[in-house]
Amino acid sequence: ETGVTQTPRHLVMGMTNKKSLKCEQHLGHNAMYWYKQSAKKPLELMFVYSLEERVENNSVPSRFSPECPNSSHLFLHLHTLQPEDSALYLCASSQARFGSLSGANVLTFGAGSRLTVL
Amino acid sequence: AQKVTQAQTEISVVEKEDVTLDCVYETRDTTYYLFWYKQPPSGELVFLIRRNSFDEQNEISGRYSWNFQKSTSSFNFTITASQVVDSAVYFCALYNGGSQGNLIFGKGTKLSVKP
Repeated sequence: ETGVTQTPRHLVMGMTNKKSLKCEQHLGHNAMYWYKQSAKKPLELMFVYSLEERVENNSVPSRFSPECPNSSHLFLHLHTLQPEDSALYLCASSQARFGSLSGANVLTFGAGSRLTVL
Repeated sequence: AQKVTQAQTEISVVEKEDVTLDCVYETRDTTYYLFWYKQPPSGELVFLIRRNSFDEQNEISGRYSWNFQKSTSSFNFTITASQVVDSAVYFCALYNGGSQGNLIFGKGTKLSVKP
């Protein structure tokens, strides 16, 4: 299996549920990212892990909790979400370490997890 | 401040027409990269091109071409002889590394190519 794989592709949850989104990359990349894509808004960077260390957290609410157990896997744990958190959550990876301007910072994206919060 | 503006929210063309998607960016950095990504209905963003700030040479790849002009801070994307499979949302993005290191996306342009 190649590329960036995200599961589940669709998730419906209530505001009191706890769920997790999973991302897996088989590209040998060094950095992994979570982006949020809401209707009519630019893609928002949520979290970045570079060499398994979290290096960026753009003031994301604590109801979103990332986990990067190894360089190939990234999770986004969700709890007590709000309806406005409904969005497409995209995972991405890059060969270059986050913040390096080496030219190897092309992001490879997964197909996303469509989250609906009721 | 860094910013990417894609003024065209939606464009609709008929197959075989040429179409240009506009992208204007703002940055104070002299070293940066510009990107175009395509997002088909399936959801994943597909990388199309990366251009660094020191390379203003235009690029052509099949029916796709890109025009990079630093003087106007623009990086426009043209599809020649459009096809239905080109229907997607196209994103322009700016990357400057450094302590920010964030890929700044525009809001995207939704292109619909009708048969």
